[in-house]
Amino acid sequence: NAGVMQNPRHLVRRRGQEARLRCSPMKGHSHVYWYRQLPEEGLKFMVYLQKENIIDESGMPKERFSAEFPKEGPSILRIQQVVRGDSAAYFCASSPRGRDSYGYTFGSGTRLTVV
Amino acid sequence: GQQLNQSPQSMFIQEGEDVSMNCTSSSIFNTWLWYKQEPGEGPVLLIALYKAGELTSNGRLTAQFGITRKDSFLNISASIPSDVGIYFCAGQTPYQGGSEKLVFGKGTKLTVNP
Repeated sequence: NAGVMQNPRHLVRRRGQEARLRCSPMKGHSHVYWYRQLPEEGLKFMVYLQKENIIDESGMPKERFSAEFPKEGPSILRIQQVVRGDSAAYFCASSPRGRDSYGYTFGSGTRLTVV
Repeated sequence: GQQLNQSPQSMFIQEGEDVSMNCTSSSIFNTWLWYKQEPGEGPVLLIALYKAGELTSNGRLTAQFGITRKDSFLNISASIPSDVGIYFCAGQTPYQGGSEKLVFGKGTKLTVNP
């Protein structure tokens, strides 16, 4: 997991607050994927971004969730008005180019707890 | 949506034993991947398989991409305590519109008794 930095590692939010999760991809990587992992489950795809573009958001809930990957700075996954069901581990992965699974490197994740 | 059925869900073995786990799907994937996840960490890639029928080894790990492209297995030989963790299979969907997202199985939790 070296190189893909996610912060914070742990985040506690009260219901109704906003959660912001950050992901800095590996140096030279311009493709970012976000996945969510519920307890005892595998990872589920949420969104795929390139710099300044959302390429595939088919796994994102239609409401309250948004993602961006600006020209400068980390990718941000934003969850507005969090609910208890949003409690999960959120992982970011980066690759140097889209068509290369071997280059897929995951971060250590952000564990969101909604109380 | 696409689903991967991974089995067994958990395994308790003695150090030195061999381990086998597999994944099946009703959908075709063009790449199969096996990951290991340790507590509090993200998944780490173990083996990637790109061709139907391909058999690939990485140290004590061996994985195969099924001929039908709908299944894969992972074997671990002579297990050691540090093999403990959750092993996930993942299938990569055919390239569509610029996205090559992964579909994950639910994982096999491996416990190795010294």
